[in-house]
Amino acid sequence: NAGVMQNPRHLVRRRGQEARLRCSPMKGHSHVYWYRQLPEEGLKFMVYLQKENIIDESGMPKERFSAEFPKEGPSILRIQQVVRGDSAAYFCASSPVTGELFFGEGSRLTVL
Amino acid sequence: TQLLEQSPQFLSIQEGENLTVYCNSSSVFSSLQWYRQEPGEGPVLLVTVVTGGEVKKLKRLTFQFGDARKDSSLHITAAQPGDTGLYLCAGAGGGTYKYIFGTGTRLKVLA
Repeated sequence: NAGVMQNPRHLVRRRGQEARLRCSPMKGHSHVYWYRQLPEEGLKFMVYLQKENIIDESGMPKERFSAEFPKEGPSILRIQQVVRGDSAAYFCASSPVTGELFFGEGSRLTVL
Repeated sequence: TQLLEQSPQFLSIQEGENLTVYCNSSSVFSSLQWYRQEPGEGPVLLVTVVTGGEVKKLKRLTFQFGDARKDSSLHITAAQPGDTGLYLCAGAGGGTYKYIFGTGTRLKVLA
C-alpha cells in the first residue's frame, strides 16, 4: 500500500513563474491537507479538501494560491506568479475518516 | 485563532537522560496528536489522544493529554540518539479535522 506521493520533490522557479505541486493520497483516503513549512519552523495549515470540495482554505493566501482535489487524479496546489517568499517545503497529508494524518515527503520550492 | 505553543524550542541532551516536551494552548481541542519529523522527510504520527487526562505509552515515550484538553506533554525516558528530530504537536477542535500544528521542539540526543 503506497504512502502519500508528492511530486516534484524539488522545484526551482524564477520570480513570476507558476508552481504546481501534486499530491496523490493513500488508497482509500478521501481527505487531503496542504501545509507549508519554513526552515526551522513548524507546519502552517493552508487548505483542507475532500474529493471535489474545498472544506477549509483559511490558511491559504487569498491571491496567487489555489488548490483542487478532482474526482480523478491527484490534488494540486498551484502558486501563480511566485515570489521569493514562497520558497518553502510544502507538505501534503491524507487522512481516512478518523483524522489521522499521513504525510508525504514534501515538495521543496525554491524561487530564484 | 487556535495556537499551540511548544516548549522548549530547542533541547540538546546526553544519551540516557530523560526529558519532557510541552504543548500548550488557550483553546480546547477535541483531539491532539504528536508527530516526529526528521530532516528532509514528512512528519510521522506517534500518537493520538482524545480524552482529557488520557495517558498513552509508546515504548520509552509517554504522552499525556491535559484534563481540560488544552495542553499535552511528551516524556521520553532514557533518550537515545535515534530520538533526535523535530517533535510537533497538532490539535483539532470544533468538531473538525483541521489540524493546527505547534511551533515544534527540536531535540538532539548526543551519544
